[in-house]
Amino acid sequence: GQQLNQSPQSMFIQEGEDVSMNCTSSSIFNTWLWYKQDPGEGPVLLIALYKAGELTSNGRLTAQFGITRKDSFLNISASIPSDVGIYFCAGLRTGTASKLTFGTGTRLQVTL
Amino acid sequence: NAGVMQNPRHLVRRRGQEARLRCSPMKGHSHVYWYRQLPEEGLKFMVYLQKENIIDESGMPKERFSAEFPKEGPSILRIQQVVRGDSAAYFCASSYTQGGGNNEQFFGPGTRLTVL
Repeated sequence: GQQLNQSPQSMFIQEGEDVSMNCTSSSIFNTWLWYKQDPGEGPVLLIALYKAGELTSNGRLTAQFGITRKDSFLNISASIPSDVGIYFCAGLRTGTASKLTFGTGTRLQVTL
Repeated sequence: NAGVMQNPRHLVRRRGQEARLRCSPMKGHSHVYWYRQLPEEGLKFMVYLQKENIIDESGMPKERFSAEFPKEGPSILRIQQVVRGDSAAYFCASSYTQGGGNNEQFFGPGTRLTVL
């Protein structure tokens, strides 16, 4: 089955830095979701996007739904140690009965 | 306001045994999804159910795997005659609606299955 490509695969940043990651697909999606997963836990929904070009914020997080509907971006500003984890994008296509296609994940590590 | 609940959190089985994983969706949610996650990978869709109906099972292996979401009680993912390759984390998600806007899926904490 298809997976969405996320980059970077992993990143080490210092506390206070801004972080950017993206998610690309060869197919069009009509909904993009961003999740964060901590070790041993399930994914937690961060942001949902429903329209091409939409820019949505949730605290220090900002995500955008790409104009082509084949990509999405997540930015984290002023990172803090609890931002550590794996970030997954997930896309939903019309006519696929709501099954999410997940990205390969971006592992974020924050150093003091 | 309880979230999605899954049990057990950890399950150990020997090859050939059966594994039963349970999922209670969020209150008011009637759509349940099961996903599987191998180490260092993203989640892969298995099956989508509504009450008493399987809507899409395209991601579920044809043999040994089955799922149900009865009128009363939790959704059950059942794996018969488990093999080592079934070792993975199994996540359940639920949503309020199936299509259109506001189709966010909320995930449970997962069941980590280990087959010895």
